[in-house]
Amino acid sequence: DVKVTQSSRYLVKRTGEKVFLECVQDMDHENMFWYRQDPGLGLRLIYFSYDVKMKEKGDIPEGYSVSREKKERFSLILESASTNQTSMYLCASRIPGDSHTQPQHFGDGTRLSIL
Amino acid sequence: GQNIDQPTEMTATEGAIVQINCTYQTSGFNGLFWYQQHAGEAPTFLSYNVLDGLEEKGRFSSFLSRSKGYSYLLLKELQMKDSASYLCAGMDSNYQLIWGAGTKLIIKP
Repeated sequence: DVKVTQSSRYLVKRTGEKVFLECVQDMDHENMFWYRQDPGLGLRLIYFSYDVKMKEKGDIPEGYSVSREKKERFSLILESASTNQTSMYLCASRIPGDSHTQPQHFGDGTRLSIL
Repeated sequence: GQNIDQPTEMTATEGAIVQINCTYQTSGFNGLFWYQQHAGEAPTFLSYNVLDGLEEKGRFSSFLSRSKGYSYLLLKELQMKDSASYLCAGMDSNYQLIWGAGTKLIIKP
């Protein structure tokens, strides 16, 4: 079974802090994703990466950056946390496959509160 | 624009059948996914449809009509553990997933 591990289940930070969310997968997947999940909204893609050192902006990248130094690890960085970044953050990974239609495998999420 | 619509909440009885509908509008189409998400847990993959028709996997089936931009997830012989949110996601021409807000399914004894 694929295992996607997010470093924290719950995190409380203060406005203006730099926040790091870590994600590690153990199945040698090339593709990794960061989403946020808010009540009443679908998952929204923040950033994704198709390989080491590569990163692409998703639908809502503003206020975030990412790092992919190793294949198994994809980090999400909140440069200067704000209260509107309070959310559930989900990391996912996926084998690319022939047509990118392989399912994504998710971590359990990090519930981040910015005070 | 791209959009996925699904009901916010549904209630069903243990042992019964429930159908969760999803309509989609995407720029191009490369298939439709269904995921299950229990409260506080990771979404887990249920099904993927890219061709019209019904695909069955045990108690769960998923249907797709590309001409109508419509899919449904059918759950049979409902069990209490099926209480969860069910997420519909369409894949667009760039292979990006467009997610619905999810349908919270409540199972009553």
